[in-house]
Amino acid sequence: GENVEQHPSTLSVQEGDSAVIKCTYSDSASNYFPWYKQELGKRPQLIIDIRSNVGEKKDQRIAVTLNKTAKHFSLHITETQPEDSAVYFCAASIKWSTLGRLYFGRGTQLTVWP
Amino acid sequence: NAGVTQTPKFQVLKTGQSMTLQCAQDMNHNSMYWYRQDPGMGLRLIYYSASEGTTDKGEVPNGYNVSRLNKREFSLRLESAAPSQTSVYFCASMDPRADRAPNYGYTFGSGTRLTVV
Repeated sequence: GENVEQHPSTLSVQEGDSAVIKCTYSDSASNYFPWYKQELGKRPQLIIDIRSNVGEKKDQRIAVTLNKTAKHFSLHITETQPEDSAVYFCAASIKWSTLGRLYFGRGTQLTVWP
Repeated sequence: NAGVTQTPKFQVLKTGQSMTLQCAQDMNHNSMYWYRQDPGMGLRLIYYSASEGTTDKGEVPNGYNVSRLNKREFSLRLESAAPSQTSVYFCASMDPRADRAPNYGYTFGSGTRLTVV
């Protein structure tokens, strides 16, 4: 099955700085890559996703990039704010499969210091 | 539109006790999933169901059973709870074929925090 590796496991940045989280995947058939944010005590929530026919996608201060050849994708958060502090999970799946199962990375604890 | 509803939110069990975690979704999704979340381990799949009446094992199925009684409901049962099953459990649902839906991907329930003593 798919194997998703995520780094770093913890990340501390100063407010206003940028944060980058990187993930790699093993199955070249994977074609859908979502990112989830989980605040303390809450459920994971989708913040952005990218599909394999796109190399980059932006939504205000967050962006994702995908390199299919190298099988890695990254989350970029610019102008970080304290409310960005959370655990972030990357995931990969094969879209159009009947199951749609997501394979998750182990998560990155992002702390933004004011 | 409630999304994915999980009950209970918190539970404390003694070793050897049994219980069922309930999950229901009102989004007409075909696929449903049970995950457990432990510190540093991310989200690990316990069982999943691609449609009503079908279930399959995920990464960590030992000690659990599931039932997909209808399209809406997917329950997780611990027959004889062990301290190693202390975790936060999340149910999720998805329609893998809804490619053009604005929120394609998992919708998670609010979670069940289970402690086995």
